[in-house]
Amino acid sequence: ETGVTQTPRHLVMGMTNKKSLKCEQHLGHNAMYWYKQSAKKPLELMFVYNFKEQTENNSVPSRFSPECPNSSHLFLHLHTLQPEDSALYLCASSQEGTSASYEQYFGPGTRLTVT
Amino acid sequence: GDSVTQMEGPVTLSEEAFLTINCTYTATGYPSLFWYVQYPGEGLQLLLKATKADDKGSNKGFEATYRKETTSFHLEKGSVQVSDSAVYFCALSSGGYQKVTFGTGTKLQVIP
Repeated sequence: ETGVTQTPRHLVMGMTNKKSLKCEQHLGHNAMYWYKQSAKKPLELMFVYNFKEQTENNSVPSRFSPECPNSSHLFLHLHTLQPEDSALYLCASSQEGTSASYEQYFGPGTRLTVT
Repeated sequence: GDSVTQMEGPVTLSEEAFLTINCTYTATGYPSLFWYVQYPGEGLQLLLKATKADDKGSNKGFEATYRKETTSFHLEKGSVQVSDSAVYFCALSSGGYQKVTFGTGTKLQVIP
């Protein structure tokens, strides 16, 4: 596979469930991101990992927990979510430290519905 | 802080019509500017970019010129196709690394 892949593509979970979203990038990049995309709102940057170290956490509630075991994989662990957390969750990657530093490559997203 | 404002959609055009999607920005320093496109059921794809004033980004018949004096980066295409139907996002990156600020997106629908 090439590019950025995300699984699952669709997820329905209750408020008491625990689930995880997975992202994998096959581009050799060293930075990975989680974004939340809600209808009629700008993309919200949630987390940034650079060289496996978390460098950004934009005041995201603790019910979202990221994990980056290596530069190719990124997880978002979910627990006790709220209905307003229903959204499309996008993963992206980029190669930092080059002239293309700001070009981010996105996965297809996971459509999350919290019931 | 940085911000991007783009025209509200949806924009509906007939095939072969001329497209303009307006985008203006507020940023410190000298940002890089981007247009991303999101087709139904997919993630965002970089469409074109410009890294300094008066640069023109182009790809797949789309163009946008970095206008520092008007802080704008309007997207244009001379003749749209049905396959161009998608949501278009204007974005910028300035100052700190990895920070990309996106607009709210403009949905384009092209009808045959």
